[in-house]
Amino acid sequence: NAGVTQTPKFQVLKTGQSMTLQCAQDMNHEYMSWYRQDPGMGLRLIHYSVGAGITDQGEVPNGYNVSRSTTEDFPLRLLSAAPSQTSVYFCASSRLGDEQFFGPGTRLTVL
Amino acid sequence: GDSVTQMEGPVTLSEEAFLTINCTYTATGYPSLFWYVQYPGEGLQLLLKATKADDKGSNKGFEATYRKETTSFHLEKGSVQVSDSAVYFCALMNTGFQKLVFGTGTRLLVSP
Repeated sequence: NAGVTQTPKFQVLKTGQSMTLQCAQDMNHEYMSWYRQDPGMGLRLIHYSVGAGITDQGEVPNGYNVSRSTTEDFPLRLLSAAPSQTSVYFCASSRLGDEQFFGPGTRLTVL
Repeated sequence: GDSVTQMEGPVTLSEEAFLTINCTYTATGYPSLFWYVQYPGEGLQLLLKATKADDKGSNKGFEATYRKETTSFHLEKGSVQVSDSAVYFCALMNTGFQKLVFGTGTRLLVSP
């Protein structure tokens, strides 16, 4: 079991560029989510999904898109990166009602 | 809405000292409460949890008791080690939902 994997580990973008952060899990978990971690603010929920084909917005969804075409994968898309999106991004997964498992994170810098 | 408040850090202790990190919450209903730990350069790991009032979660020498009357879930350890240096996050998850609400995190630094 690889658990929750995220790629890339590090990424530097220029303002206006687009990119996709990848997240995959091999535990057959229904629930997947994306958080961003900023100094002094803890982790804030961006988007989440309770199953394939179902996604919803979290606390800070603006500037991000998600899709869930399979149970395993939950990519996060930045359509036009902004410096305010410089952050560390974590993906998590769980069975519904159970503890969440986190990936190792992607550190994104937008210049 | 639901929220979690943690004591600000960093908390600096010598090895074998007693640790308390305060956490209080505001929530409707009956949330489950969690402590997560983040070691340098890593993701978050679940440290312990409690799902109802008066439950005590424990793991690796850490303990926390779900106190509904004071809406608190303080983290304690009797004797910290250098290897406990990390950032600790208190979080809640409300009944029927899967979304975690996190506190801002408390950095613990333990010196030999």
